[in-house]
Amino acid sequence: KAGVTQTPRYLIKTRGQQVTLSCSPISGHRSVSWYQQTPGQGLQFLFEYFSETQRNKGNFPGRFSGRQFSNSRSEMNVSTLELGDSALYLCASSLAVGTGGSYEQYFGPGTRLTVT
Amino acid sequence: GENVEQHPSTLSVQEGDSAVIKCTYSDSASNYFPWYKQELGKRPQLIIDIRSNVGEKKDQRIAVTLNKTAKHFSLHITETQPEDSAVYFCAATSYSSASKIIFGSGTRLSIRP
Repeated sequence: KAGVTQTPRYLIKTRGQQVTLSCSPISGHRSVSWYQQTPGQGLQFLFEYFSETQRNKGNFPGRFSGRQFSNSRSEMNVSTLELGDSALYLCASSLAVGTGGSYEQYFGPGTRLTVT
Repeated sequence: GENVEQHPSTLSVQEGDSAVIKCTYSDSASNYFPWYKQELGKRPQLIIDIRSNVGEKKDQRIAVTLNKTAKHFSLHITETQPEDSAVYFCAATSYSSASKIIFGSGTRLSIRP
């Protein structure tokens, strides 16, 4: 099976702009989660989508949003970019089908966003 | 809110010695505890996980222990090897929100030759 893919891999944006990142999960995985990874804050949960619905949300401002399509591909959008948004954005997919199921998250390679 | 604390932040051990990383969690509803390894420039990968109905789980040189009463869980790596050098993240979640995983801050493990 192909792994989780993310595009683009690298991105440079200017403060105030917006950006859209894309994630394609492993075939058959319906859950996609997004994380922000920074040296100082580690891995922080942004949100999770399952069957096109946001099921869980972390503590990020409303500038961070996402969506999931019927083929389970997901996008996240960050509007009005700030310098502090510079980070590696990782998505992960899993089966996550409930108690007793598989919860292993498979991470993509990430998109490194630099805001100048 | 949910929180996972991880210690130490850096750990250096002699090759062949053991390494222990400890985590505590705050949400008593947590019942699934995965550990991820992230090598430099690579994506995190699951190395072992434990569920709340088990106190210990072992897979070759790695083991994880869980104390639900104290809300502590630990990763033990024995007979460390150079390829064990990486950043290790503990995490906690519950079955009801299995994809909202709260990660610890990470431990950078270095193996000295």
